[in-house]
Amino acid sequence: GESVGLHLPTLSVQEGDNSIINCAYSNSASDYFIWYKQESGKGPQFIIDIRSNMDKRQGQRVTVLLNKTVKHLSLQIAATQPGDSAVYFCAENMGANTGNQFYFGTGTSLTVIP
Amino acid sequence: DTGVSQDPRHKITKRGQNVTFRCDPISEHNRLYWYRQTLGQGPEFLTYFQNEAQLEKSRLLSDRFSAERPKGSFSTLEIQRTEQGDSAMYLCASSFNRDSGSYEQYFGPGTRLTVT
Repeated sequence: GESVGLHLPTLSVQEGDNSIINCAYSNSASDYFIWYKQESGKGPQFIIDIRSNMDKRQGQRVTVLLNKTVKHLSLQIAATQPGDSAVYFCAENMGANTGNQFYFGTGTSLTVIP
Repeated sequence: DTGVSQDPRHKITKRGQNVTFRCDPISEHNRLYWYRQTLGQGPEFLTYFQNEAQLEKSRLLSDRFSAERPKGSFSTLEIQRTEQGDSAMYLCASSFNRDSGSYEQYFGPGTRLTVT
């Protein structure tokens, strides 16, 4: 399953399928990005990060892709599990000139159907 | 558990009262951040510290909001004369500033404020 981030904030996938969550970021000067997972009632949990000098980074069952040309990030989750159900946020960091602030997108709610 | 703790976890207060929240970061982390999150939205950056220095505070929502980190360890966020619009989750995060420029932030569980 695939989301278009801000325009489709919910995504439902079958257990075992791959999920793709998309994020459009705002500033071409952003040089560092993080994907977070947030479960109900908890703080955001770091999943994976990527710097602007990379276009792909892989973790355990997750891959982040960065397309600087169109200012787009995606998070791919392989073999989605019920425990992956949560809201996923991308966050961009615009560097020291902005005080190293992180700006978060609205988020995409992922529901995994057993 | 990320190692970042916040206290209290929940706070209910009446409009006009002052509230103070505490954050204890991961001990070796030199950066500490405060965010506010409202329902259905992503966290909104408020301010951050490197050690005891507050390096960015222009995003604090009004002059009723202030934050301190007096010894470069724990931090407090105070809201004076609370308003109903202050009701939100207040999140703290910490990170270790690396020369590589990668500095993933680890979040605490948040303090949920309800102003009645």
